[in-house]
Amino acid sequence: DAKTTQPNSMESNEEEPVHLPCNHSTISGTDYIHWYRQLPSQGPEYVIHGLTSNVNNRMASLAIAEDRKSSTLILHRATLRDAAVYYCILTYGYGGSQGNLIFGKGTKLSVKP
Amino acid sequence: DAGVTQSPTHLIKTRGQQVTLRCSPKSGHDTVSWYQQALGQGPQFIFQYYEEEERQRGNFPDRFSGHQFPNYSSELNVNALLLGDSALYLCASRTAGEATDTQYFGPGTRLTVL
Repeated sequence: DAKTTQPNSMESNEEEPVHLPCNHSTISGTDYIHWYRQLPSQGPEYVIHGLTSNVNNRMASLAIAEDRKSSTLILHRATLRDAAVYYCILTYGYGGSQGNLIFGKGTKLSVKP
Repeated sequence: DAGVTQSPTHLIKTRGQQVTLRCSPKSGHDTVSWYQQALGQGPQFIFQYYEEEERQRGNFPDRFSGHQFPNYSSELNVNALLLGDSALYLCASRTAGEATDTQYFGPGTRLTVL
């Protein structure tokens, strides 16, 4: 299974943008890049996913490198509610999937008021 | 549109006992996966159910078993509980035909084994 590498922790100030990096140098052509986040005492929450092109939704933006070996989750204006552990996960995207999300330790984001 | 629901929220058991956890998938989803999350760790995949059959299994002993019902809801059973089974148990659902494998998680059941 393709693996991802993320920093253990990051800090941000409230209302400032946050860029969360993820390296996935062994990604294959059919792997989707997913981001989930987990707030304290809650289940993981889907944030965004992409394949090759940059993606935007109401929660965040996903910037994918041209060679797809890295990606960056962008929170445009961090709020205190964005303090969570962020997981970058690759999923096999050919005709349905293996169904097995492999979580690493993720990046713990702290947001200061 | 209801999301993934799980019951109970919390559970306390003693070593050797058996436990059953329940999950109802998000509306329109037909595939359910179960994950175990120990304190301070990322979730670990236990197994996945589709069409009432176990389709894929992670590295968990046979003490962990499951079931999926015709309405797509699912149960996770753990027999002969050990102290190390104390964890947050998460259920996630998705649609089998969807290529991206985006899964939606429930709030989890916190199991404490004494």
